[in-house]
Amino acid sequence: QKEVEQNSGPLSVPEGAIASLNCTYSDRGSQSFFWYRQYSGKSPELIMSIYSNGDKEDGRFTAQLNKASQYVSLLIRDSQPSDSATYLCAVNAGNAGNMLTFGGGTRLMVKP
Amino acid sequence: GAVVSQHPSWVICKSGTSVKIECRSLDFQATTMFWYRQFPKQSLMLMATSNEGSKATYEQGVEKDKFLINHASLTLSTLTVTSAHPEDSSFYICSAPRGGREQYFGPGTRLTVT
Repeated sequence: QKEVEQNSGPLSVPEGAIASLNCTYSDRGSQSFFWYRQYSGKSPELIMSIYSNGDKEDGRFTAQLNKASQYVSLLIRDSQPSDSATYLCAVNAGNAGNMLTFGGGTRLMVKP
Repeated sequence: GAVVSQHPSWVICKSGTSVKIECRSLDFQATTMFWYRQFPKQSLMLMATSNEGSKATYEQGVEKDKFLINHASLTLSTLTVTSAHPEDSSFYICSAPRGGREQYFGPGTRLTVT
């Protein structure tokens, strides 16, 4: 069974710090990787996508992918209280259409 | 701005009635859409894959006769919860892939069955 694993948290960081969120996946054939942010009571919002090994930066967010280690991470620099949410890692194996496999999510709390 | 819309955003219905939820891709065509359900403080659960012009593919344990899915056009998929019961009360969310890669979620529909 294809799995995506995340630490459920909560991960608590002080305002201004770097938050590091991690995700591992079991299917070596996975091609596409996504990070979604979900506020309580809202639907998931796509914040980052990454398709090749290395780092991808977008504003305060950096996604890191290591296919050899089957590991993807999300760094949030200068964390703000508004970043407090659940972050979902999602993986597309590439051979199941566009179906995503989601991790259980990591709850991030940024304390003022 | 939003790329996937859902309607209604919330609905209250009586037990035994049916409710239809619409999911639209706003500026792109989607031959495939996905329907999820999420209970409070739980993870997203994929219910079914909606395929334009053909039957939906349901995940194990999801009753296809209870959750009717119709993908009538390249921009519209509907989910009908038939003979709803209180245990069907949940947050229903659709998603659609744009450009074949990135998936975008609708804002969700909160269903309460009394």
